[in-house]
Amino acid sequence: AQSVTQLGSHVSVSEGALVLLRCNYSSSVPPYLFWYVQYPNQGLQLLLKYTSAATLVKGINGFEAEFKKSETSFHLTKPSAHMSDAAEYFCAVGKAAGNKLTFGGGTRVLVKP
Amino acid sequence: EAQVTQNPRYLITVTGKKLTVTCSQNMNHEYMSWYRQDPGLGLRQIYYSMNVEVTDKGDVPEGYKVSRKEKRNFPLILESPSPNQTSLYFCASRPTGQVNSPLHFGNGTRLTVT
Repeated sequence: AQSVTQLGSHVSVSEGALVLLRCNYSSSVPPYLFWYVQYPNQGLQLLLKYTSAATLVKGINGFEAEFKKSETSFHLTKPSAHMSDAAEYFCAVGKAAGNKLTFGGGTRVLVKP
Repeated sequence: EAQVTQNPRYLITVTGKKLTVTCSQNMNHEYMSWYRQDPGLGLRQIYYSMNVEVTDKGDVPEGYKVSRKEKRNFPLILESPSPNQTSLYFCASRPTGQVNSPLHFGNGTRLTVT
């Protein structure tokens, strides 16, 4: 069975500072990996996805994530945090040729002025 | 506008009173799914549907029912709600059953069962 672990349920960063959200997964086969963002009172929106092409994936709003097979990780970064980045972020993993997506527990990001 | 629409947004009910949360998508997607979101647990899948008249259990199906009579609609039914079903519920859809196509989410339904 696949699983996803997000380290840290809450992260606080200063505006302009680096945002780093950690995601580790377990999967018996090469996975598809996703990051979704949830703004207050909204559903989840896709930030970016990895589907076995380039290991460094660029997403919307300046976010990017790097797939590291040896570390089974897919950490999300943004060089400079903006107030509008305050949201909850979810990492998710799915098996190629499968239909099930497994979500991590989420990381809530607070951006301080 | 392409969207997934859930209703209602907020619902407060009492134990045992049957309720239905509706979900509709206008993107002609084959795959639809229901999730519940609880703090620290992320999203857990309740039921999913690969196409009309094809539904299957997710990870936490107990106490829920679904139906898929039309492609656009995928209602979630709680026949006898209990307080442990208090949660935030999301409906989602995607073009096919293949996991590499992104999910489109509704805005959620916050359910409280007293």
